[in-house]
Amino acid sequence: GAVVSQHPSRVICKSGTSVKIECRSLDFQATTMFWYRQFPKQSLMLMATSNEGSKATYEQGVEKDKFLINHASLTLSTLTVTSAHPEDSSFYICSAPPGTGIEETQYFGPGTRLLVL
Amino acid sequence: GNSVTQMEGPVTLSEEAFLTINCTYTATGYPSLFWYVQYPGEGLQLLLKATKADDKGSNKGFEATYRKETTSFHLEKGSVQVSDSAVYFCALSDRYQGGKLIFGQGTELSVKP
Repeated sequence: GAVVSQHPSRVICKSGTSVKIECRSLDFQATTMFWYRQFPKQSLMLMATSNEGSKATYEQGVEKDKFLINHASLTLSTLTVTSAHPEDSSFYICSAPPGTGIEETQYFGPGTRLLVL
Repeated sequence: GNSVTQMEGPVTLSEEAFLTINCTYTATGYPSLFWYVQYPGEGLQLLLKATKADDKGSNKGFEATYRKETTSFHLEKGSVQVSDSAVYFCALSDRYQGGKLIFGQGTELSVKP
């Protein structure tokens, strides 16, 4: 099946620094990618929809200046957590549907665990 | 808005027991329904899906039927194995909302030998 990778898989940073997480579709092109956040033993919460060639669409309550999303190409989306604080510590997961973005099968990356000290 | 509700976990079963994880949904349109599984330390994997009413999704011995009349998509397996221990997520997607997935809260399954 299709493969989505994330890098890094785990990152520890100091409070106030910025962290960039990459999401890549390895064997297909994705005009749309989704970014989720998962707290321990909780569900995935959609943060934003990353659109190639246009601005990301953020869900209600998600600070767009805090979580910068750039969909640089048809195979790469990045999420930058700016001025990270301990409450940003979480598991961040991306997903991508092949094709135009309205396909219903999504492929998930393995996730990035962020710990802010 | 659209939402998904799953039965709370954790669920603990003995090997070869019958499994049911309940899932109900609320949607304004005609969503597609999914079950995803997250094994310890891994990312989410699609387990099965159904795209219209009365469809049955099946994979690896798991089944779920899209019931429009009861707005449900319960996951079942006749005989669970230790290797089925994981967190299971019910989700829906409405293509008219750009394919966004709305997840239930997840149900942790632990199967004991």
